[in-house]
Amino acid sequence: AQTVTQSQPEMSVQEAETVTLSCTYDTSENNYYLFWYKQPPSRQMILVIRQEAYKQQNATENRFSVNFQKAAKSFSLKISDSQLGDTAMYFCAFMKLNNNAGNMLTFGGGTRLMVKP
Amino acid sequence: DAGVTQSPTHLIKTRGQQVTLRCSPISGHKSVSWYQQVLGQGPQFIFQYYEKEERGRGNFPDRFSARQFPNYSSELNVNALLLGDSALYLCASSLATGVAGQPQHFGDGTRLSIL
Repeated sequence: AQTVTQSQPEMSVQEAETVTLSCTYDTSENNYYLFWYKQPPSRQMILVIRQEAYKQQNATENRFSVNFQKAAKSFSLKISDSQLGDTAMYFCAFMKLNNNAGNMLTFGGGTRLMVKP
Repeated sequence: DAGVTQSPTHLIKTRGQQVTLRCSPISGHKSVSWYQQVLGQGPQFIFQYYEKEERGRGNFPDRFSARQFPNYSSELNVNALLLGDSALYLCASSLATGVAGQPQHFGDGTRLSIL
């Protein structure tokens, strides 16, 4: 079974600054996907960024980028130029790559991020 | 295009009752998954359906059941409700299952409160 751990329950950052959210995971799989999802108070889980484990290059999406360290089983999210709208719960999630199984997600416990004006 | 839609948005039940939650996936998506999110925690996987067949089941008791219809919509049923079933129930859809890295797209959830 896979486990995902987010060691920072809460974080805060000043608007326009940079913040990094941590995530570690445990798996015996070699091929998998990792995701960061954002859940604002509106409740909807929104996909932020996706990383394929077989790709060494770190994924980036505009102000969001990841630092993927496969050997260390670490997958951190960096948010640059933080905006007030980035205030939300952030969840790290793991997906096995198995064509015979579903593509279900294993989530971490989440990090509550507050962006201060 | 409409996103994943769930109904109802909020539901209040008492212990021992039964509840049915509904989900319509994004148009063209054939896979639907259900997650339970207890307050302050990350979502926990309950079920996944693809082409009307169960493709995955999480560690939940038999009181939880689900099904998928020919139009790919889905229902989650919970019998003999317990106080611990109070949670946000999230539905997610994706194009397919077993296809590499298909991201899941979530609905706004149904908030279930058990009195």
